[in-house]
Amino acid sequence: DSGVTQTPKHLITATGQRVTLRCSPRSGDLSVYWYQQSLDQGLQFLIQYYNGEERAKGNILERFSAQQFPDLHSELNLSSLELGDSALYFCASSGGPTGELFFGEGSRLTVL
Amino acid sequence: GQSLEQPSEVTAVEGAIVQINCTYQTSGFYGLSWYQQHDGGAPTFLSYNALDGLEETGRFSSFLSRSDSYGYLLLQELQMKDSASYFCAPSMGNTDKLIFGTGTRLQVFP
Repeated sequence: DSGVTQTPKHLITATGQRVTLRCSPRSGDLSVYWYQQSLDQGLQFLIQYYNGEERAKGNILERFSAQQFPDLHSELNLSSLELGDSALYFCASSGGPTGELFFGEGSRLTVL
Repeated sequence: GQSLEQPSEVTAVEGAIVQINCTYQTSGFYGLSWYQQHDGGAPTFLSYNALDGLEETGRFSSFLSRSDSYGYLLLQELQMKDSASYFCAPSMGNTDKLIFGTGTRLQVFP
């Protein structure tokens, strides 16, 4: 158990819809990262938050947005969903620049 | 720009030694991490090199050469449970973010 909690574990929705994925980082970790992993693909960095502020942005689509709340949990909002958005979305947290991220179990999104 | 190269697949037999190479090009390089991911699972941290040289953790070792923008993960005494994908992930110090590539799929045969 990494200590990072993601909900929901599975989500099935239709094209054009909007979903919200939630992440609770390990206790004390200020940084939260979101990654997307499509079938047989690597982990694509989407966005990073540190103590409520956006710190780094990757290849995140304009249809996607995220935020980190004062209690440090984070949400990733995906809107106008397309078939290609079907993927495993991972949240990770870290306590500092040690190269060690703690990943949640992921949220598997299926867009039909 | 940023680039990351690893072999897509490696196969080996139980008890063997395997080396997975990684070359990278990033701005503001801070260190190189290695992660393991079993099918359907979450990535888990294996090692981190901030300085040149070899870091050993049990059966796994990781090496970094900053001047060559190169690193490798060495897996010894391979076991069936080592069958997984392995990712090298350089980090940029100013943001601590890690960049992952498509990883190397290791298959260990009996």
